[in-house]
Amino acid sequence: KNEVEQSPQNLTAQEGEFITINCSYSVGISALHWLQQHPGGGIVSLFMLSSGKKKHGRLIATINIQEKHSSLHITASHPRDSAVYICAPSGGGADGLTFGKGTHLIIQP
Amino acid sequence: GAGVSQSPRYKVAKRGQDVALRCDPISGHVSLFWYQQALGQGPEFLTYFQNEAQLDKSGLPSDRFFAERPEGSVSTLKIQRTQQEDSAVYLCASSGGRTTAAAQHFGDGTRLSIL
Repeated sequence: KNEVEQSPQNLTAQEGEFITINCSYSVGISALHWLQQHPGGGIVSLFMLSSGKKKHGRLIATINIQEKHSSLHITASHPRDSAVYICAPSGGGADGLTFGKGTHLIIQP
Repeated sequence: GAGVSQSPRYKVAKRGQDVALRCDPISGHVSLFWYQQALGQGPEFLTYFQNEAQLDKSGLPSDRFFAERPEGSVSTLKIQRTQQEDSAVYLCASSGGRTTAAAQHFGDGTRLSIL
Protein backbone atom coordinates (compact mmCIF):
# COMPACT_ATOMS: atom_id res chain seq x y z
CA LYS A 1 0.00 0.00 0.00
CA ASN A 2 1.24 3.48 -0.85
CA GLU A 3 1.98 5.50 2.28
CA VAL A 4 1.17 9.16 1.66
CA GLU A 5 2.39 11.99 3.85
CA GLN A 6 1.37 15.59 3.50
CA SER A 7 2.87 18.58 5.20
CA PRO A 8 1.96 20.79 6.84
CA GLN A 9 -1.24 19.32 8.28
CA ASN A 10 -2.52 22.79 9.10
CA LEU A 11 -1.50 26.13 7.68
CA THR A 12 -2.75 29.62 8.45
CA ALA A 13 -1.41 32.47 6.36
CA GLN A 14 -2.19 36.06 5.48
CA GLU A 15 -3.80 37.08 2.23
CA GLY A 16 -1.19 37.53 -0.47
CA GLU A 17 1.35 35.06 0.90
CA PHE A 18 2.95 32.37 -1.22
CA ILE A 19 1.76 28.93 -0.07
CA THR A 20 3.51 25.58 -0.45
CA ILE A 21 2.00 22.20 0.41
CA ASN A 22 4.15 19.09 0.17
CA CYS A 23 3.28 15.46 -0.56
CA SER A 24 5.54 12.41 -0.29
CA TYR A 25 4.64 8.84 -1.12
CA SER A 26 6.35 5.51 -0.71
CA VAL A 27 5.55 3.51 -3.85
CA GLY A 28 6.29 4.45 -7.46
CA ILE A 29 3.30 5.80 -9.33
CA SER A 30 2.12 6.71 -12.81
CA ALA A 31 0.28 9.91 -11.85
CA LEU A 32 -0.60 12.08 -8.88
CA HIS A 33 -3.79 14.03 -8.27
CA TRP A 34 -4.17 17.23 -6.29
CA LEU A 35 -7.69 17.77 -4.99
CA GLN A 36 -9.43 20.62 -3.17
CA GLN A 37 -12.18 20.01 -0.65
CA HIS A 38 -14.29 22.82 0.75
CA PRO A 39 -16.35 22.60 3.96
CA GLY A 40 -19.49 20.63 3.13
CA GLY A 41 -17.59 17.88 1.36
CA GLY A 42 -17.39 18.71 -2.35
CA ILE A 43 -14.09 17.63 -3.92
CA VAL A 44 -12.69 19.34 -6.98
CA SER A 45 -9.84 17.93 -9.03
CA LEU A 46 -7.15 20.60 -9.41
CA PHE A 47 -4.37 18.76 -11.21
CA MET A 48 -3.32 15.38 -12.44
CA LEU A 49 0.35 15.17 -13.32
CA SER A 50 2.91 12.51 -14.05
CA SER A 51 6.02 14.64 -14.58
CA GLY A 52 7.35 18.15 -14.38
CA LYS A 53 5.06 21.04 -13.65
CA LYS A 54 1.53 22.25 -14.37
CA LYS A 55 0.06 25.71 -13.87
CA HIS A 56 -3.54 26.84 -13.68
CA GLY A 57 -4.16 30.43 -12.72
CA ARG A 58 -2.52 31.04 -9.33
CA LEU A 59 -1.98 27.34 -8.72
CA ILE A 60 1.21 25.48 -9.64
CA ALA A 61 1.87 21.77 -9.12
CA THR A 62 5.22 20.06 -9.48
CA ILE A 63 6.27 16.45 -9.20
CA ASN A 64 9.59 14.62 -8.96
CA ILE A 65 8.88 10.99 -9.77
CA GLN A 66 12.37 9.80 -8.79
CA GLU A 67 12.17 11.42 -5.36
CA LYS A 68 8.49 10.43 -4.89
CA HIS A 69 7.55 13.98 -4.01
CA SER A 70 5.08 16.58 -5.23
CA SER A 71 4.31 20.14 -4.22
CA LEU A 72 1.31 22.41 -4.66
CA HIS A 73 1.96 26.16 -4.68
CA ILE A 74 -0.53 29.00 -4.43
CA THR A 75 0.63 32.45 -5.44
CA ALA A 76 -1.03 35.63 -4.16
CA SER A 77 -3.24 33.61 -1.81
CA HIS A 78 -6.80 34.76 -1.16
CA PRO A 79 -9.34 33.90 1.56
CA ARG A 80 -11.36 31.91 -1.00
CA ASP A 81 -8.39 29.54 -1.26
CA SER A 82 -9.20 28.37 2.28
CA ALA A 83 -9.94 24.65 1.96
CA VAL A 84 -8.44 21.22 2.51
CA TYR A 85 -5.90 20.23 -0.13
CA ILE A 86 -5.41 16.52 -0.69
CA CYS A 87 -2.81 14.69 -2.74
CA ALA A 88 -3.66 11.28 -4.16
CA PRO A 89 -1.02 9.18 -5.92
CA SER A 90 -2.18 6.73 -8.55
CA GLY A 91 -0.50 3.50 -9.51
CA GLY A 92 -2.35 3.62 -12.81
CA GLY A 93 -4.34 0.54 -12.02
CA ALA A 94 -8.02 0.22 -11.29
CA ASP A 95 -7.95 -0.01 -7.52
CA GLY A 96 -8.91 3.49 -6.52
CA LEU A 97 -6.80 6.39 -5.35
CA THR A 98 -4.76 6.47 -2.14
CA PHE A 99 -5.37 9.78 -0.41
CA GLY A 100 -3.25 11.81 1.94
CA LYS A 101 -4.89 13.11 5.11
CA GLY A 102 -5.01 16.59 3.64
CA THR A 103 -3.64 20.03 4.49
CA HIS A 104 -6.10 22.40 6.15
CA LEU A 105 -5.36 25.84 4.73
CA ILE A 106 -6.81 29.06 6.13
CA ILE A 107 -6.06 32.35 4.43
CA GLN A 108 -6.86 35.34 6.62
CA PRO A 109 -7.77 38.69 5.08
CA GLY B 1 -26.49 16.42 -15.75
CA ALA B 2 -23.19 18.22 -15.97
CA GLY B 3 -21.58 16.62 -12.93
CA VAL B 4 -21.74 13.63 -10.62
CA SER B 5 -24.92 13.65 -8.57
CA GLN B 6 -25.34 11.86 -5.25
CA SER B 7 -28.49 11.38 -3.22
CA PRO B 8 -29.54 11.80 -0.58
CA ARG B 9 -27.26 14.63 0.49
CA TYR B 10 -27.81 13.74 4.14
CA LYS B 11 -29.09 10.53 5.70
CA VAL B 12 -29.82 9.82 9.34
CA ALA B 13 -30.60 6.25 10.30
CA LYS B 14 -30.94 4.25 13.49
CA ARG B 15 -28.42 1.56 14.25
CA GLY B 16 -29.49 -1.68 12.63
CA GLN B 17 -31.39 -0.13 9.73
CA ASP B 18 -30.44 -0.67 6.11
CA VAL B 19 -29.53 2.33 3.93
CA ALA B 20 -29.07 2.85 0.19
CA LEU B 21 -26.97 5.63 -1.30
CA ARG B 22 -27.25 6.59 -4.96
CA CYS B 23 -24.69 7.90 -7.44
CA ASP B 24 -25.45 9.27 -10.91
CA PRO B 25 -22.13 9.55 -12.76
CA ILE B 26 -21.34 11.82 -15.65
CA SER B 27 -23.01 10.40 -18.73
CA GLY B 28 -20.72 8.11 -20.68
CA HIS B 29 -18.14 7.70 -17.91
CA VAL B 30 -16.87 4.15 -17.83
CA SER B 31 -15.31 4.13 -14.38
CA LEU B 32 -17.10 4.69 -11.09
CA PHE B 33 -15.50 4.73 -7.66
CA TRP B 34 -16.94 4.79 -4.14
CA TYR B 35 -14.96 6.24 -1.25
CA GLN B 36 -15.62 6.59 2.48
CA GLN B 37 -14.43 9.65 4.36
CA ALA B 38 -14.50 9.66 8.15
CA LEU B 39 -14.55 12.97 9.99
CA GLY B 40 -11.17 14.70 9.80
CA GLN B 41 -9.65 12.02 7.57
CA GLY B 42 -8.87 11.68 3.89
CA PRO B 43 -11.14 9.51 1.73
CA GLU B 44 -10.59 5.75 1.66
CA PHE B 45 -11.27 3.57 -1.35
CA LEU B 46 -14.26 1.23 -1.12
CA THR B 47 -14.99 -0.22 -4.55
CA TYR B 48 -14.59 0.33 -8.30
CA PHE B 49 -16.77 -0.41 -11.32
CA GLN B 50 -15.85 -0.46 -14.96
CA ASN B 51 -19.18 -0.25 -16.73
CA GLU B 52 -21.37 -2.81 -14.91
CA ALA B 53 -18.48 -4.96 -13.74
CA GLN B 54 -17.28 -4.56 -10.15
CA LEU B 55 -13.56 -5.02 -10.69
CA ASP B 56 -12.39 -4.29 -7.17
CA LYS B 57 -14.26 -4.40 -3.88
CA SER B 58 -11.25 -4.84 -1.65
CA GLY B 59 -11.99 -1.65 0.29
CA LEU B 60 -15.46 -2.63 1.48
CA PRO B 61 -15.08 -2.87 5.27
CA SER B 62 -17.44 -5.78 5.84
CA ASP B 63 -20.01 -8.01 4.15
CA ARG B 64 -22.66 -5.55 5.30
CA PHE B 65 -21.54 -3.28 2.46
CA PHE B 66 -22.74 -4.04 -1.04
CA ALA B 67 -22.50 -2.00 -4.24
CA GLU B 68 -24.01 -2.47 -7.66
CA ARG B 69 -24.12 -0.78 -11.05
CA PRO B 70 -26.43 -3.08 -13.02
CA GLU B 71 -26.65 -1.10 -16.26
CA GLY B 72 -23.23 0.51 -16.18
CA SER B 73 -24.57 3.92 -15.24
CA VAL B 74 -26.26 4.65 -11.89
CA SER B 75 -24.68 2.94 -8.90
CA THR B 76 -26.08 2.16 -5.47
CA LEU B 77 -24.10 1.56 -2.30
CA LYS B 78 -26.09 -0.39 0.25
CA ILE B 79 -25.21 -0.82 3.90
CA GLN B 80 -27.11 -3.44 5.85
CA ARG B 81 -27.59 -3.49 9.62
CA THR B 82 -25.84 -0.16 10.02
CA GLN B 83 -23.44 0.43 12.90
CA GLN B 84 -22.29 3.70 14.44
CA GLU B 85 -18.85 3.30 12.88
CA ASP B 86 -20.51 3.51 9.46
CA SER B 87 -21.11 7.22 10.07
CA ALA B 88 -19.07 9.04 7.42
CA VAL B 89 -19.32 10.92 4.14
CA TYR B 90 -19.66 8.55 1.20
CA LEU B 91 -18.18 9.97 -1.98
CA CYS B 92 -18.74 8.80 -5.52
CA ALA B 93 -16.45 9.68 -8.41
CA SER B 94 -16.60 8.91 -12.10
CA SER B 95 -13.99 8.98 -14.82
CA GLY B 96 -13.91 8.65 -18.57
CA GLY B 97 -10.74 6.60 -18.30
CA ARG B 98 -10.29 2.99 -17.27
CA THR B 99 -7.65 3.50 -14.60
CA THR B 100 -6.96 5.87 -11.75
CA ALA B 101 -4.45 7.69 -13.96
CA ALA B 102 -7.38 9.64 -15.39
CA ALA B 103 -9.10 12.66 -13.89
CA GLN B 104 -11.89 11.77 -11.49
CA HIS B 105 -14.99 13.91 -11.04
CA PHE B 106 -16.46 13.80 -7.56
CA GLY B 107 -19.99 14.18 -6.32
CA ASP B 108 -20.79 16.26 -3.23
CA GLY B 109 -21.13 13.11 -1.14
CA THR B 110 -23.77 11.67 1.15
CA ARG B 111 -23.27 12.43 4.83
CA LEU B 112 -24.48 9.37 6.74
CA SER B 113 -25.15 9.59 10.46
CA ILE B 114 -26.02 6.45 12.42
CA LEU B 115 -27.70 7.09 15.76
